[in-house]
Amino acid sequence: ETGVTQTPRHLVMGMTNKKSLKCEQHLGHNAMYWYKQSAKKPLELMFVYNFKEQTENNSVPSRFSPECPNSSHLFLHLHTLQPEDSALYLCASSQDQAEGRTQYFGPGTRLLVL
Amino acid sequence: DAKTTQPPSMDCAEGRAANLPCNHSTISGNEYVYWYRQIHSQGPQYIIHGLKNNETNEMASLIITEDRKSSTLILPHATLRDTAVYYCIASLTNAGGTSYGKLTFGQGTILTVHP
Repeated sequence: ETGVTQTPRHLVMGMTNKKSLKCEQHLGHNAMYWYKQSAKKPLELMFVYNFKEQTENNSVPSRFSPECPNSSHLFLHLHTLQPEDSALYLCASSQDQAEGRTQYFGPGTRLLVL
Repeated sequence: DAKTTQPPSMDCAEGRAANLPCNHSTISGNEYVYWYRQIHSQGPQYIIHGLKNNETNEMASLIITEDRKSSTLILPHATLRDTAVYYCIASLTNAGGTSYGKLTFGQGTILTVHP
């Protein structure tokens, strides 16, 4: 247990569906991150939030929409995804972005887009 | 961040020390070396980090060469549960300025611990 939880753990969706991934951290951290891990590829940073403000968008397509209502919760809203978006989506948190080299990761949501 | 180079895979016998090398020949003076690992179907887990001196914690030891161009992560008594992908990452410190807190993951080293 890392103190970072993600739901759901598995998700299958069609290309016309809308779904959301949820991440919650119980560590009192102020920075949260979304990563994408495709098969046989390194982890790719998608978004960074620091004190609820988005500080990084790594050229992510608009069909991925993050939301950070407070420092403990992070969402990734998904709509009209493509099959190539199938991947493991990982959430992480750190004390704040300045201390972002020590991150605590959740177990991930494995997403399959049909 | 400096590029790091790791062997794609390594084997280790259970109970023996696992020594995982990492090359970071272009590392700058204000970049730390961080190690994470990712057990299958889980998120990455922080292991250890260092700047110049060797470091040890309850999980592992980190040996950094004097010229800082390479390092070795040592798992002193590997167990089957240490089978994972191990990532070596060079990342800027925040000393004297703003760190953007990025971790750039490469392909890592797949360590397989066998009985």
